[in-house]
Amino acid sequence: KQEVTQIPAALSVPEGENLVLNCSFTDSAIYNLQWFRQDPGKGLTSLLLIQSSQREQTSGRLNASLDKSSGRSTLYIAASQPGDSATYLCAVTSMGSGQASPAGKSTFGDGTTLTVKP
Amino acid sequence: DTGVSQNPRHKITKRGQNVTFRCDPISEHNRLYWYRQTLGQGPEFLTYFQNEAQLEKSRLLSDRFSAERPKGSFSTLEIQRTEQGDSAMYLCASSLSPAFRRSYEQYFGPGTRLTVT
Repeated sequence: KQEVTQIPAALSVPEGENLVLNCSFTDSAIYNLQWFRQDPGKGLTSLLLIQSSQREQTSGRLNASLDKSSGRSTLYIAASQPGDSATYLCAVTSMGSGQASPAGKSTFGDGTTLTVKP
Repeated sequence: DTGVSQNPRHKITKRGQNVTFRCDPISEHNRLYWYRQTLGQGPEFLTYFQNEAQLEKSRLLSDRFSAERPKGSFSTLEIQRTEQGDSAMYLCASSLSPAFRRSYEQYFGPGTRLTVT
Protein backbone atom coordinates (compact mmCIF):
# COMPACT_ATOMS: atom_id res chain seq x y z
CA LYS A 1 0.00 0.00 0.00
CA GLN A 2 1.42 3.37 -1.05
CA GLU A 3 1.89 5.91 1.74
CA VAL A 4 2.82 9.53 1.13
CA THR A 5 4.28 11.80 3.81
CA GLN A 6 4.89 15.53 3.62
CA ILE A 7 7.22 17.32 6.00
CA PRO A 8 6.92 19.85 7.50
CA ALA A 9 3.17 20.08 8.08
CA ALA A 10 3.44 23.87 8.32
CA LEU A 11 6.07 26.40 7.39
CA SER A 12 6.27 30.17 7.90
CA VAL A 13 8.91 32.24 6.09
CA PRO A 14 9.57 35.93 5.42
CA GLU A 15 8.94 37.25 1.93
CA GLY A 16 11.82 36.75 -0.49
CA GLU A 17 13.15 33.58 1.09
CA ASN A 18 13.82 30.44 -0.94
CA LEU A 19 12.26 27.30 0.50
CA VAL A 20 11.96 23.55 0.01
CA LEU A 21 8.95 21.33 0.64
CA ASN A 22 9.44 17.60 1.01
CA CYS A 23 7.39 14.61 -0.08
CA SER A 24 8.29 10.97 0.55
CA PHE A 25 6.57 7.80 -0.64
CA THR A 26 6.95 4.15 0.31
CA ASP A 27 6.48 2.31 -3.01
CA SER A 28 8.88 3.34 -5.77
CA ALA A 29 6.79 1.69 -8.52
CA ILE A 30 5.13 4.94 -9.51
CA TYR A 31 3.76 6.23 -12.81
CA ASN A 32 4.22 9.91 -11.99
CA LEU A 33 4.21 12.47 -9.19
CA GLN A 34 2.22 15.69 -9.23
CA TRP A 35 2.46 18.79 -7.01
CA PHE A 36 -0.68 20.80 -6.31
CA ARG A 37 -1.59 24.01 -4.58
CA GLN A 38 -4.80 24.37 -2.56
CA ASP A 39 -6.21 27.63 -1.21
CA PRO A 40 -8.58 27.43 1.80
CA GLY A 41 -11.96 25.98 0.86
CA LYS A 42 -11.00 25.60 -2.80
CA GLY A 43 -10.14 22.82 -5.20
CA LEU A 44 -6.61 21.83 -6.22
CA THR A 45 -4.51 23.63 -8.81
CA SER A 46 -1.84 21.60 -10.60
CA LEU A 47 1.65 23.08 -10.36
CA LEU A 48 4.06 20.51 -11.77
CA LEU A 49 3.97 16.91 -12.95
CA ILE A 50 7.06 14.68 -13.09
CA GLN A 51 6.94 11.44 -15.04
CA SER A 52 8.64 8.46 -13.38
CA SER A 53 11.46 8.62 -15.97
CA GLN A 54 12.20 12.29 -15.27
CA ARG A 55 14.38 13.83 -12.58
CA GLU A 56 12.93 17.35 -12.43
CA GLN A 57 10.48 19.85 -13.84
CA THR A 58 10.52 23.63 -13.70
CA SER A 59 7.82 26.26 -14.03
CA GLY A 60 8.69 29.87 -13.28
CA ARG A 61 9.87 30.12 -9.66
CA LEU A 62 9.00 26.47 -8.98
CA ASN A 63 11.27 23.47 -9.42
CA ALA A 64 10.27 19.93 -8.54
CA SER A 65 12.70 17.04 -8.33
CA LEU A 66 12.11 13.30 -8.15
CA ASP A 67 14.37 10.56 -6.79
CA LYS A 68 12.33 7.45 -7.36
CA SER A 69 14.84 5.04 -5.88
CA SER A 70 14.84 6.80 -2.52
CA GLY A 71 11.12 7.59 -2.64
CA ARG A 72 11.52 11.35 -2.41
CA SER A 73 10.43 14.51 -4.18
CA THR A 74 11.09 18.13 -3.35
CA LEU A 75 9.35 21.31 -4.41
CA TYR A 76 11.65 24.32 -4.44
CA ILE A 77 10.07 27.78 -4.40
CA ALA A 78 12.38 30.67 -5.19
CA ALA A 79 11.93 34.23 -3.93
CA SER A 80 8.71 33.47 -2.05
CA GLN A 81 5.84 35.99 -2.12
CA PRO A 82 2.79 36.45 0.15
CA GLY A 83 0.64 35.18 -2.73
CA ASP A 84 2.41 31.82 -2.43
CA SER A 85 0.67 31.26 0.92
CA ALA A 86 -1.40 28.09 0.51
CA THR A 87 -1.30 24.36 1.22
CA TYR A 88 0.96 22.38 -1.10
CA LEU A 89 0.10 18.75 -1.75
CA CYS A 90 1.99 16.02 -3.54
CA ALA A 91 0.24 13.09 -5.18
CA VAL A 92 1.83 9.86 -6.34
CA THR A 93 0.15 7.88 -9.13
CA SER A 94 0.82 4.19 -8.84
CA MET A 95 1.45 1.83 -11.71
CA GLY A 96 -1.73 0.34 -13.09
CA SER A 97 -2.76 -3.19 -13.81
CA GLY A 98 -1.37 -3.57 -17.31
CA GLN A 99 -0.84 -2.13 -20.78
CA ALA A 100 -4.47 -1.08 -21.11
CA SER A 101 -4.28 0.81 -17.85
CA PRO A 102 -0.66 1.67 -17.10
CA ALA A 103 -1.55 4.27 -14.49
CA GLY A 104 -3.62 3.52 -11.45
CA LYS A 105 -4.94 5.59 -8.58
CA SER A 106 -3.27 8.57 -6.91
CA THR A 107 -2.29 8.77 -3.26
CA PHE A 108 -1.96 12.18 -1.65
CA GLY A 109 0.07 13.45 1.27
CA ASP A 110 -1.61 15.64 3.89
CA GLY A 111 0.15 18.74 2.59
CA THR A 112 2.42 21.47 3.86
CA THR A 113 0.70 24.73 4.79
CA LEU A 114 2.95 27.61 3.76
CA THR A 115 2.66 31.14 5.11
CA VAL A 116 4.81 33.85 3.52
CA LYS A 117 4.94 36.96 5.67
CA PRO A 118 5.29 40.39 4.02
CA ASP B 1 -15.25 27.84 -18.96
CA THR B 2 -13.69 24.55 -20.03
CA GLY B 3 -12.52 23.37 -16.60
CA VAL B 4 -13.97 20.67 -14.36
CA SER B 5 -17.28 21.72 -12.83
CA GLN B 6 -19.11 20.29 -9.82
CA ASN B 7 -22.64 20.80 -8.58
CA PRO B 8 -23.83 21.69 -6.08
CA ARG B 9 -20.99 23.57 -4.45
CA HIS B 10 -22.50 23.18 -1.00
CA LYS B 11 -25.01 20.69 0.39
CA ILE B 12 -26.47 20.55 3.87
CA THR B 13 -28.54 17.48 4.64
CA LYS B 14 -29.97 15.66 7.62
CA ARG B 15 -28.61 12.33 8.72
CA GLY B 16 -30.32 9.48 6.91
CA GLN B 17 -31.10 11.43 3.74
CA ASN B 18 -29.70 10.55 0.30
CA VAL B 19 -27.58 13.04 -1.64
CA THR B 20 -26.27 13.10 -5.21
CA PHE B 21 -23.40 15.14 -6.59
CA ARG B 22 -22.55 15.78 -10.22
CA CYS B 23 -19.20 16.26 -11.93
CA ASP B 24 -18.66 17.48 -15.49
CA PRO B 25 -15.07 16.80 -16.62
CA ILE B 26 -13.01 18.62 -19.23
CA SER B 27 -14.67 17.57 -22.47
CA GLU B 28 -11.82 15.63 -24.10
CA HIS B 29 -10.80 13.83 -20.88
CA ASN B 30 -11.78 10.18 -20.71
CA ARG B 31 -10.70 9.56 -17.10
CA LEU B 32 -12.71 10.84 -14.16
CA TYR B 33 -11.86 10.51 -10.45
CA TRP B 34 -13.68 11.06 -7.18
CA TYR B 35 -11.87 11.94 -3.95
CA ARG B 36 -12.98 12.84 -0.45
CA GLN B 37 -11.13 15.40 1.66
CA THR B 38 -11.60 16.22 5.35
CA LEU B 39 -10.13 19.22 7.12
CA GLY B 40 -6.35 19.09 7.45
CA GLN B 41 -6.01 15.94 5.36
CA GLY B 42 -5.06 15.27 1.78
CA PRO B 43 -7.69 13.98 -0.66
CA GLU B 44 -8.50 10.27 -0.31
CA PHE B 45 -9.15 8.27 -3.46
CA LEU B 46 -12.70 6.92 -3.80
CA THR B 47 -13.04 5.65 -7.37
CA TYR B 48 -12.15 6.34 -10.99
CA PHE B 49 -13.61 5.74 -14.44
CA GLN B 50 -12.07 5.34 -17.85
CA ASN B 51 -14.86 6.25 -20.25
CA GLU B 52 -17.92 4.58 -18.73
CA ALA B 53 -16.03 1.74 -17.03
CA GLN B 54 -15.37 1.97 -13.29
CA LEU B 55 -11.79 0.66 -13.07
CA GLU B 56 -11.08 0.88 -9.35
CA LYS B 57 -13.02 1.45 -6.19
CA SER B 58 -11.57 2.18 -2.76
CA ARG B 59 -12.49 0.18 0.30
CA LEU B 60 -13.50 3.56 1.73
CA LEU B 61 -16.48 3.39 -0.59
CA SER B 62 -18.99 1.52 1.51
CA ASP B 63 -22.20 0.02 0.16
CA ARG B 64 -23.90 3.37 0.79
CA PHE B 65 -21.78 5.02 -1.91
CA SER B 66 -22.28 4.55 -5.61
CA ALA B 67 -20.81 6.31 -8.61
CA GLU B 68 -21.83 6.21 -12.24
CA ARG B 69 -20.63 7.59 -15.53
CA PRO B 70 -23.28 6.30 -17.88
CA LYS B 71 -22.17 7.79 -21.20
CA GLY B 72 -18.54 8.39 -20.44
CA SER B 73 -19.12 12.11 -19.94
CA PHE B 74 -20.46 13.48 -16.64
CA SER B 75 -20.48 11.43 -13.45
CA THR B 76 -22.67 11.26 -10.37
CA LEU B 77 -21.74 10.24 -6.85
CA GLU B 78 -24.63 9.19 -4.62
CA ILE B 79 -24.50 8.70 -0.87
CA GLN B 80 -27.43 6.86 0.66
CA ARG B 81 -28.50 7.12 4.30
CA THR B 82 -25.94 9.82 5.06
CA GLU B 83 -24.06 9.79 8.36
CA GLN B 84 -22.28 12.63 10.15
CA GLY B 85 -18.96 11.01 9.25
CA ASP B 86 -19.74 11.63 5.58
CA SER B 87 -19.29 15.38 6.10
CA ALA B 88 -16.37 16.33 3.88
CA MET B 89 -15.37 18.02 0.64
CA TYR B 90 -15.99 15.75 -2.35
CA LEU B 91 -13.58 16.48 -5.17
CA CYS B 92 -13.77 15.42 -8.79
CA ALA B 93 -10.84 15.40 -11.21
CA SER B 94 -10.35 14.45 -14.84
CA SER B 95 -7.46 13.57 -17.11
CA LEU B 96 -6.57 11.98 -20.39
CA SER B 97 -5.87 8.27 -20.31
CA PRO B 98 -2.18 7.30 -20.26
CA ALA B 99 -2.85 5.49 -23.55
CA PHE B 100 -2.90 8.89 -25.24
CA ARG B 101 0.79 9.15 -24.32
CA ARG B 102 0.38 12.73 -23.28
CA SER B 103 0.89 14.26 -19.91
CA TYR B 104 -1.31 12.30 -17.54
CA GLU B 105 -2.16 15.33 -15.47
CA GLN B 106 -5.20 15.52 -13.21
CA TYR B 107 -7.32 18.66 -13.22
CA PHE B 108 -9.59 19.24 -10.24
CA GLY B 109 -12.99 20.84 -9.87
CA PRO B 110 -13.90 23.24 -7.05
CA GLY B 111 -15.47 20.49 -4.94
CA THR B 112 -18.82 19.94 -3.25
CA ARG B 113 -18.84 20.56 0.48
CA LEU B 114 -21.25 18.21 2.26
CA THR B 115 -22.46 18.89 5.79
CA VAL B 116 -24.56 16.21 7.48
CA THR B 117 -26.45 17.45 10.53
